[in-house]
Amino acid sequence: ETGVTQTPRHLVMGMTNKKSLKCEQHLGHNAMYWYKQSAKKPLELMFVYNFKEQTENNSVPSRFSPECPNSSHLFLHLHTLQPEDSALYLCASSPSEATNEKLFFGSGTQLSVL
Amino acid sequence: GENVEQHPSTLSVQEGDSAVIKCTYSDSASNYFPWYKQELGKGPQLIIDIRSNVGEKKDQRIAVTLNKTAKHFSLHITETQPEDSAVYFCAATPLDTGRRALTFGSGTRLQVQP
Repeated sequence: ETGVTQTPRHLVMGMTNKKSLKCEQHLGHNAMYWYKQSAKKPLELMFVYNFKEQTENNSVPSRFSPECPNSSHLFLHLHTLQPEDSALYLCASSPSEATNEKLFFGSGTQLSVL
Repeated sequence: GENVEQHPSTLSVQEGDSAVIKCTYSDSASNYFPWYKQELGKGPQLIIDIRSNVGEKKDQRIAVTLNKTAKHFSLHITETQPEDSAVYFCAATPLDTGRRALTFGSGTRLQVQP
């Protein structure tokens, strides 16, 4: 148990659906991250939030919309996705963005877009 | 930006043997090099890390070495056990430069044969 919980674990959605991924951390950290993990590719950083403020958007398409209402919760809202968006979406946290070397990952949401 | 190459992509060893995974990086400003282990159905977990002011770090059966001149670093696992079977990711980042996001390698799938 890493202290970072992601729900749901699996999600299947059509290209016209709207869904949201949820992440919650119980570690008292102030920075939270969304990563995309595709088969045989490096982990891709999508978004970074530090003290609830978005500090990085790594050229992610607008069909992915993050939300960070507080330092413990992070959401990824999905809309009009494409089949190539199918991947494992990982949430992570760290004490602060300045100490992002100590990343704690959740187990991820396996997303399939049909 | 930083680019991290990781080899091999798959590695199979007999239980009790040693395993070595190698990574190279491109940005000479990178000074922090963590290794993550990802077991099936779980997110990556930090197992060991090294900063550029040291050349080697050891923690029980795992060790990491760093060659700053050649810009490569390696993970060494001795006396491998079946529970070491997982995907291992290296990463690099230039801390203290204002751009702190980790750049990950593409991963090595290690299989330890009993």
